[in-house]
Amino acid sequence: DVKVTQSSRYLVKRTGEKVFLECVQDMDHENMFWYRQDPGLGLRLIYFSYDVKMKEKGDIPEGYSVSREKKERFSLILESASTNQTSMYLCASSSGTTLNTGELFFGEGSRLTVL
Amino acid sequence: AQSVTQLDSQVPVFEEAPVELRCNYSSSVSVYLFWYVQYPNQGLQLLLKYLSGSTLVESINGFEAEFNKSQTSFHLRKPSVHISDTAEYFCAVSPLRTGGYNKLIFGAGTRLAVHP
Repeated sequence: DVKVTQSSRYLVKRTGEKVFLECVQDMDHENMFWYRQDPGLGLRLIYFSYDVKMKEKGDIPEGYSVSREKKERFSLILESASTNQTSMYLCASSSGTTLNTGELFFGEGSRLTVL
Repeated sequence: AQSVTQLDSQVPVFEEAPVELRCNYSSSVSVYLFWYVQYPNQGLQLLLKYLSGSTLVESINGFEAEFNKSQTSFHLRKPSVHISDTAEYFCAVSPLRTGGYNKLIFGAGTRLAVHP
């Protein structure tokens, strides 16, 4: 089974802090994604990466950056956290073939609260 | 552009009753269709998908969904629900492309609450 692991399930940070959310997948998937999930809004794509050191903006990239130095790891960075970034963050991955159908494999999520 | 509308934000139902979670989509191109489920405090899991072929697709735990192209719908049904089906359900579409990344577009979710 595909396993996507998000290192922190719950985080509490203060406004202005730099925040790192880490995601690791163990199935040698080429593609990795970061979404945020908010009630009533569903999932919105922040960034995705289809190869090491490659990244593309999703629908809501403002206030976020990403890093993919190794194939299995995709990090989401909040340079200066703000209260409106309080949310559930979901990491996902897919193989080259499932990328073209849209099927994704998700981690359990990281719930971030910014005070 | 594509969009997904889940018509009910919450669906309460008694155990062993039937349930239907409604999903409509809008797209100018053909799409793949998915239902994902999120159990409490967990990530999303793929429940079922329609890529091609038979318009009726089934999951291993008794859910089914039917792709209706004329009505642009992909409603999810189960004839008899269990307490363990309590979760949030997300409908998603992915527009067909010949190359590159097929973006997955999610609906807002439907929270299914099964009561004893």
